[in-house]
Amino acid sequence: DQQVKQNSPSLSVQEGRISILNCDYTNSMFDYFLWYKKYPAEGPTFLISISSIKDKNEDGRFTVFLNKSAKHLSLHIVPSQPGDSAVYFCAASPLRGGGADGLTFGKGTHLIIQP
Amino acid sequence: DTGVSQDPRHKITKRGQNVTFRCDPISEHNRLYWYRQTLGQGPEFLTYFQNEAQLEKSRLLSDRFSAERPKGSFSTLEIQRTEQGDSAMYLCASSLMGARGYTFGSGTRLTVV
Repeated sequence: DQQVKQNSPSLSVQEGRISILNCDYTNSMFDYFLWYKKYPAEGPTFLISISSIKDKNEDGRFTVFLNKSAKHLSLHIVPSQPGDSAVYFCAASPLRGGGADGLTFGKGTHLIIQP
Repeated sequence: DTGVSQDPRHKITKRGQNVTFRCDPISEHNRLYWYRQTLGQGPEFLTYFQNEAQLEKSRLLSDRFSAERPKGSFSTLEIQRTEQGDSAMYLCASSLMGARGYTFGSGTRLTVV
């Protein structure tokens, strides 16, 4: 049973446009959500996070939106750049930092930025 | 700060052999995690240490898997009697308590033949 779902295995976006990556979750106990970016042959890199008490968090070109009633979050990247081409993982936890519950990850979305 | 270091980067072993992986976390981080990632999947949580105490190990995949973190510094993950299904990327991560996210290492890729 996938508790964190990323239904788009891949997404192609033109350079300069907006990239929108989506994530759905089923566990009501999840209270903290994160996005990680992964290049081939490297470990995942933390990008941005959001607590359930917020509905939006911005960091430069990256914005995460949380719709708790719909159990849905999205990552917006504006404008998209070639270096953004990577696999993006959505992750969730009952508490900030994961702790003994760890993080539950989705399967990832491969974002390809076209020149 | 050299990040989270994992050794070896790649390991090929024959079925039935034991393997051990090492993780050196960021020095001031008191939390350490092990994850496994198989092809087409996201990382899967295995175990968690706070300092030297292993606070979660029920998610280890079987009793063939064990982890240690002596003196709260580096950690090892051992897999005994490896099986082909153990082939995966094994990721280590570390963090400070209360940090927003972890810092992952580059992983150890295990191939069981």
